[in-house]
Amino acid sequence: GAVVSQHPSWVICKSGTSVKIECRSLDFQATTMFWYRQFPKQSLMLMATSNEGSKATYEQGVEKDKFLINHASLTLSTLTVTSAHPEDSSFYICGLEGRVNGYTFGSGTRLTVV
Amino acid sequence: LAKTTQPISMDSYEGQEVNITCSHNNIATNDYITWYQQFPSQGPRFIIQGYKTKVTNEVASLFIPADRKSSTLSLPRVSLSDTAVYYCLVKNSGNTPLVFGKGTRLSVIA
Repeated sequence: GAVVSQHPSWVICKSGTSVKIECRSLDFQATTMFWYRQFPKQSLMLMATSNEGSKATYEQGVEKDKFLINHASLTLSTLTVTSAHPEDSSFYICGLEGRVNGYTFGSGTRLTVV
Repeated sequence: LAKTTQPISMDSYEGQEVNITCSHNNIATNDYITWYQQFPSQGPRFIIQGYKTKVTNEVASLFIPADRKSSTLSLPRVSLSDTAVYYCLVKNSGNTPLVFGKGTRLSVIA
C-alpha cells in the first residue's frame, strides 16, 4: 500500500495560536486525502476530504475557517488549526486510498493546546 | 453507507484464537468488507479485506457468509502485542472516505 508520512507526531501550542500539520504521500500521487480527529477512547471522526487543486469538503459541524486544509500538490496535504483552543486538543490523523490494500493512514499528530 | 455493529470489547488469553464478528445487514452489492487495527496514539493499520467467502493473509483470516450480512475476523494464536482496537468497515469502490464505527477493543492477557 501507499506510504504516508505525517508530521509532527506531537505538538503543544498556546491557546490562540495556529498549528500546521503535514501529511505526505511518499510513493503515491494522491488526488484525495482524508483528515480525521480522534478524542480519547473514541473512534476516528472524519473531518474533511482534501482534494488536490480544489477546495476541501468538510463534514457537517466542522468549521472550515478554523480547520484550514490545503492540498497544493499530489503528495502533500496540510491541516492548519487556527486560533487553537484547549477543546481542539485531540489526535489528528490523515489518510488516503492507495492502489492496493485499501487505505493507508499517517501515524497521527497529538495536539495539546494549553 | 452500510452501518456496522461489533462488540465493544473482548478479552483473550495469549495463544488463543480470537474471532471478532461484525454485522453489516445493509451491505450493498458493490460494498466490500475491510478490517483495520489501531494501537494507542497511532493511525489505523490495514489488516485484511474481502468481498465474499474466505480470505487469508499472514496475520488474519476473514470469513464472510453467503448473504454477506456479517463477517468474522479471525486472529490465530494472539499475543500481548495484538491488544488493540479493531475496526470493521464496509466500503464501496471509489475514492470516498472510510467511516469508522466504535470498533472492538481487544485485550490480550498473559
